[in-house]
Amino acid sequence: DSGVTQTPKHLITATGQRVTLRCSPRSGDLSVYWYQQSLDQGLQFLIQYYNGEERAKGNILERFSAQQFPDLHSELNLSSLELGDSALYFCASSVLGGAEKLFFGSGTQLSVL
Amino acid sequence: TQLLEQSPQFLSIQEGENLTVYCNSSSVFSSLQWYRQEPGEGPVLLVTVVTGGEVKKLKRLTFQFGDARKDSSLHITAAQPGDTGLYLCAGGNDYKLSFGAGTTVTVRA
Repeated sequence: DSGVTQTPKHLITATGQRVTLRCSPRSGDLSVYWYQQSLDQGLQFLIQYYNGEERAKGNILERFSAQQFPDLHSELNLSSLELGDSALYFCASSVLGGAEKLFFGSGTQLSVL
Repeated sequence: TQLLEQSPQFLSIQEGENLTVYCNSSSVFSSLQWYRQEPGEGPVLLVTVVTGGEVKKLKRLTFQFGDARKDSSLHITAAQPGDTGLYLCAGGNDYKLSFGAGTTVTVRA
């Protein structure tokens, strides 16, 4: 158990819908990262937050947004969903957020039908 | 296009054999990490290397960071079925950690 909690574990929805994925980092970790993993693209970095502030942005679509709350949990919002958004979404946390050791959650499997 | 290229993409070997996985990039990284991911789980960190030419050993696993800090290799000696999984390398610069596409290793009993 990495100590990072992601909910829900599975999510099935339809095209055009909006979903929210939730992540609780390990106790004491200030930084949260979101990654998308698909068979053809591998593990793609989406966005990183450190202590409530956005620190780095990767290949995140404009339809996607995220935030980190004062209690350090984070949410990833995906809207106007398309078939191609079906993937595993991972949250990871680290102590300082300097691309050091990441602890990953078990992921949310999103299926867009 | 992947910033980090891993090879081979798939590797299937018999228990007791050795294997090597490669991770190459045209970019220089301040650190390079190796993770292993099992089905239904998130990646788990195996090792971090930060110095060019560095070699780290973790039981039957040997990790090497290239002198120019652009490439790395993972060697497993006497592989066991428990070594089966997706091996991912990740390069770190500033606040970003970029992952390779991974090598799927299957060790047959």
